Amino acid sequence: ETGVTQTPRHLVMGMTNKKSLKCEQHLGHNAMYWYKQSAKKPLELMFVYNFKEQTENNSVPSRFSPECPNSSHLFLHLHTLQPEDSALYLCASSQDPQGGNQPQHFGDGTRLSIL
Amino acid sequence: DQQVKQNSPSLSVQEGRISILNCDYTNSMFDYFLWYKKYPAEGPTFLISISSIKDKNEDGRFTVFLNKSAKHLSLHIVPSQPGDSAVYFCAASARSSASKIIFGSGTRLSIRP
Repeated sequence: ETGVTQTPRHLVMGMTNKKSLKCEQHLGHNAMYWYKQSAKKPLELMFVYNFKEQTENNSVPSRFSPECPNSSHLFLHLHTLQPEDSALYLCASSQDPQGGNQPQHFGDGTRLSIL
Repeated sequence: DQQVKQNSPSLSVQEGRISILNCDYTNSMFDYFLWYKKYPAEGPTFLISISSIKDKNEDGRFTVFLNKSAKHLSLHIVPSQPGDSAVYFCAASARSSASKIIFGSGTRLSIRP
């Protein structure tokens, strides 16, 4: 039990579908993150939210749309994805990073496959 | 250009011996370094970290060493146990952009009996 829960664990979707990934953290953290991990590549930061405000968008295509309704929940809305978007999507949370360096705690990820 | 590099994609160590995982970085602004461990079908788990004001941090069987002049850090695991078989990621961040943790590509550690 990591304290960060992601659903679904696996998702297969067509390029014209719309789906959402969900992340919930039970650690009392203020910051939440989305990462993408493609095969044989390092984790790539996609978005950062701190106290529900987006503070980083790492040049992510608009077909990925994040939403953070509160400090405990984070969503990634997906639409019109491409086959190269197939990857493991990881959510993480941490204490407020503006207060100094903090370790991030990860969920188990959603394995996304685009047909 | 990768700012955090783990040049060994894999490492095999006998149970009971010391495992040494290495990591190099290029950005001199990095002042916080972390190691994560990842099992298949699970997310990365935070293991240990070190601030640039230190050159060593120890937690049980895990010790991280930082050599700032060489821009190099290493993770020592001793004694190595079968449950240590996993992929280990080195990561780094700078206080000026503390939310951006940059990860290496990982080293797969296998502990053999």
